[in-house]
Amino acid sequence: NAGVMQNPRHLVRRRGQEARLRCSPMKGHSHVYWYRQLPEEGLKFMVYLQKENIIDESGMPKERFSAEFPKEGPSILRIQQVVRGDSAAYFCASSPSAGERFFGPGTRLTVL
Amino acid sequence: EDQVTQSPEALRLQEGESSSLNCSYTVSGLRGLFWYRQDPGKGPEFLFTLYSAGEEKEKERLKATLTKKESFLHITAPKPEDSATYLCAVQQGGANSKLTFGKGITLSVRP
Repeated sequence: NAGVMQNPRHLVRRRGQEARLRCSPMKGHSHVYWYRQLPEEGLKFMVYLQKENIIDESGMPKERFSAEFPKEGPSILRIQQVVRGDSAAYFCASSPSAGERFFGPGTRLTVL
Repeated sequence: EDQVTQSPEALRLQEGESSSLNCSYTVSGLRGLFWYRQDPGKGPEFLFTLYSAGEEKEKERLKATLTKKESFLHITAPKPEDSATYLCAVQQGGANSKLTFGKGITLSVRP
């Protein structure tokens, strides 16, 4: 059973471009969580999704950031018009229901 | 105001020198407390979930305990391969609610 998959692993964008980060949860997992990790800081919750629904987006910046988890395909975290402050590692985690969350390897976004 | 505080920020041990990592929390209505290990450049790796005060869980050289205010991750006779950042997180609310993480403790074990 493959673990949580994220791609790309590394992404470089120039200011003003769009970044699309993908997360494929573990097989049988219908809950996806996105977190952001800045250097020397802990993981910060961004958004929680189930298939086709956003359940909790309390950690998402109000502008430029969006997330989806369609019926088919991976979950997508989209950042429009990236700025240097968006540079971070973005992790997604999945869970089957209650309890354990399994994290992917992360996408490291660098904004030039 | 931090809800989850981990201490110390960094810890250096000699191989075989047992110690404990602390995670204190101030949230009310704790549903669960999670411990993860994170290696540089990788995603967090799940270690334990504790749900009630007095609960303990063990895995190899690691043992996690929980009280009403804090959790400890005890490392017995650590080895260099135990070097990593250890993260704790708390969960409030529903079964699928978000985790709130501390900043982590960076552990270095010297051979």
